[in-house]
Amino acid sequence: SAVISQKPSRDICQRGTSLTIQCQVDSQVTMMFWYRQQPGQSLTLIATANQGSEATYESGFVIDKFPISRPNLTFSTLTVSNMSPEDSSIYLCSVPSYRVGETQYFGPGTRLLVL
Amino acid sequence: SQQGEEDPQALSIQEGENATMNCSYKTSINNLQWYRQNSGRGLVHLILIRSNEREKHSGRLRVTLDTSKKSSSLLITASRAADTASYFCATDGGDYKLSFGAGTTVTVRA
Repeated sequence: SAVISQKPSRDICQRGTSLTIQCQVDSQVTMMFWYRQQPGQSLTLIATANQGSEATYESGFVIDKFPISRPNLTFSTLTVSNMSPEDSSIYLCSVPSYRVGETQYFGPGTRLLVL
Repeated sequence: SQQGEEDPQALSIQEGENATMNCSYKTSINNLQWYRQNSGRGLVHLILIRSNEREKHSGRLRVTLDTSKKSSSLLITASRAADTASYFCATDGGDYKLSFGAGTTVTVRA
């Protein structure tokens, strides 16, 4: 199974600032995903981060607001730019397992509070 | 985008009882998965059922899938206090992108 770590685990930020969240995987993976979970809500896919290409964003999410980097097969970052209180959420990265019976491993999440 | 709806939104049961929650979805799927989340932490994969399967078991978990009705159910038998968590269904259209349901919060009372 893949072990995924995220940094920071939580942060409190002021509106208008930006925060970069890191996701590290202990094995090489082609695809990485970023999800957002707003308070009391379910998870919504933000984007897919593939190494060597631009991230692909889901409807409602744009690169200017959520720029993503994928410098190698074990690491990705998601930046939440020009934050507002509405960005307060848990941000999770995930990777496919490619193992029969299972498709995703999730990181522990980054809990963000924007004041 | 989310396509799953789950019911009930919340469920409170006594330890030892069974818990059943349902999930509906809108588009065609490759598989449907159930995840557990404890207190807003990371997700734990519970079970996956493929679109050509109708029922699957794993320990105290039983999942059914009805593709004609675009619905699934998760049954947890003989619940324990440690089963207290939020449960989410998620559909995969074949590209590993997951579309999550709204979730069911389960509380198991001792």
